Amino acid sequence: GAGVSQSPSNKVTEKGKDVELRCDPISGHTALYWYRQSLGQGLEFLIYFQGNSAPDKSGLPSDRFSAERTGGSVSTLTIQRTQQEDSAVYLCASSLRDKIYEQYFGPGTRLTVT
Amino acid sequence: KNEVEQSPQNLTAQEGEFITINCSYSVGISALHWLQQHPGGGIVSLFMLSSGKKKHGRLIATINIQEKHSSLHITASHPRDSAVYICAVLPLGGNQFYFGTGTSLTVIP
Repeated sequence: GAGVSQSPSNKVTEKGKDVELRCDPISGHTALYWYRQSLGQGLEFLIYFQGNSAPDKSGLPSDRFSAERTGGSVSTLTIQRTQQEDSAVYLCASSLRDKIYEQYFGPGTRLTVT
Repeated sequence: KNEVEQSPQNLTAQEGEFITINCSYSVGISALHWLQQHPGGGIVSLFMLSSGKKKHGRLIATINIQEKHSSLHITASHPRDSAVYICAVLPLGGNQFYFGTGTSLTVIP
C-alpha cells in the first residue's frame, strides 16, 4: 500500500523567502509528526498532530515555523523568511492513534537556503 | 544532553563481518525504534522493540529494559548495508521520539 509521501523531495530557496513543505500520511493514520534533521545533527521533533486535538507545537524552533493539517489528512509545514540555518532534511511520519510507537516515515524534503 | 547515546559514531567493516551498534538511553521508555537512513535521506524503520529480541533476515535487534540498552546486530555484512543507523526512543507517557545522532556504517567489499 501507499506509504507516507512528501513533496517536494528537494527545495532550494533564497534567504528571506517563504517555503511550504507537504506531507501526505498513510490513509487512516490520525497521528502525524514533523521532524527536522540538520546537517551533522540528529533528528529533532517539531510538531505533532493527533486527530482534531490541538497540535503539540513544543518543538517548533521559532515563530517563523508553522504547520497545518487540513481535514485530518495532508499537512503543510511553512517556514517564513527562511534563514540559512533552516537548511535541513524535513521528515514527516504518521501512525495510528493508538500506535504512536509505530511510526512510518516519509522520504523527506531536503531544504537548502542559499 | 542527548537522552539517547549511540556508539560507535562511525564504523567501517569488511564485507562479511559481524557488526554491532549500541544504543543507551536515560529514561523509561514504551518503545524503541532502529531506523536506517541511506544517502539521499530516506528513512526506513527496521525494528520496533519494547522487550526481548527481534530478527529479520541478517538483522537482529535486542533490548534490555532494565539496563536501558539496545543493540543492533548485522550478520554477514554487505556493502548494501552501508547507511546511517539511528536509534529512537519513545519515553513512557510521551508522544514524541527522541533520536540518537546515528551510527554511520560503511561496509567495504
